[in-house]
Amino acid sequence: DTEVTQTPKHLVMGMTNKKSLKCEQHMGHRAMYWYKQKAKKPPELMFVYSYEKLSINESVPSRFSPECPNSSLLNLHLHALQPEDSALYLCASSQVTPGQGGNMQPQHFGDGTRLSIL
Amino acid sequence: AQSVAQPEDQVNVAEGNPLTVKCTYSVSGNPYLFWYVQYPNRGLQFLLKYITGDNLVKGSYGFEAEFNKSQTSFHLKKPSALVSDSALYFCAVRDMVYGQNFVFGPGTRLSVLP
Repeated sequence: DTEVTQTPKHLVMGMTNKKSLKCEQHMGHRAMYWYKQKAKKPPELMFVYSYEKLSINESVPSRFSPECPNSSLLNLHLHALQPEDSALYLCASSQVTPGQGGNMQPQHFGDGTRLSIL
Repeated sequence: AQSVAQPEDQVNVAEGNPLTVKCTYSVSGNPYLFWYVQYPNRGLQFLLKYITGDNLVKGSYGFEAEFNKSQTSFHLKKPSALVSDSALYFCAVRDMVYGQNFVFGPGTRLSVLP
């Protein structure tokens, strides 16, 4: 069992729909991440939150909108997605070591949401 | 810029034999190096990391990795492979200088044959 929980596990949506992906962790981690992964490829970083503030946005289109309501929750709001956005969306969390930016801490991943855009 | 290479797309090994999955890296400073495994329809699972110190790092499920600074390599090893080790393996690096970013290699698919 993973300690990072993602819901839903599967999502099928049309290009005009609005939906949200949810991620939750209770390990006390203060850094949380969203990744996009295509089949047989490595995860691609989308967003990083550190202490509930957005610290990295890897030039992600505005149809993806992240939100971090508290230290345990991370959401990804989806609107007007394109077929090429179909992928596995992974959430991860890690500790943040004061003064070191959390560089050395491993990330703990959820099992992802498999998103299909019709 | 940071980069990670995994020169083999696929590694096949017989059950009970030793396995090696290769990783080389390029960073501007000293690296923090990680290995992850991904089973079908699952997220990535952390196996081990190298930060500093002993060049041989031991991790989960009997895996270990050897850090070699002169060859800029961090190869994953296991003395005796199991069929259940068959999965996709990712090497990743964080740059100590530019740090928050986490760069993954392209992945190596390991098949352990019974």
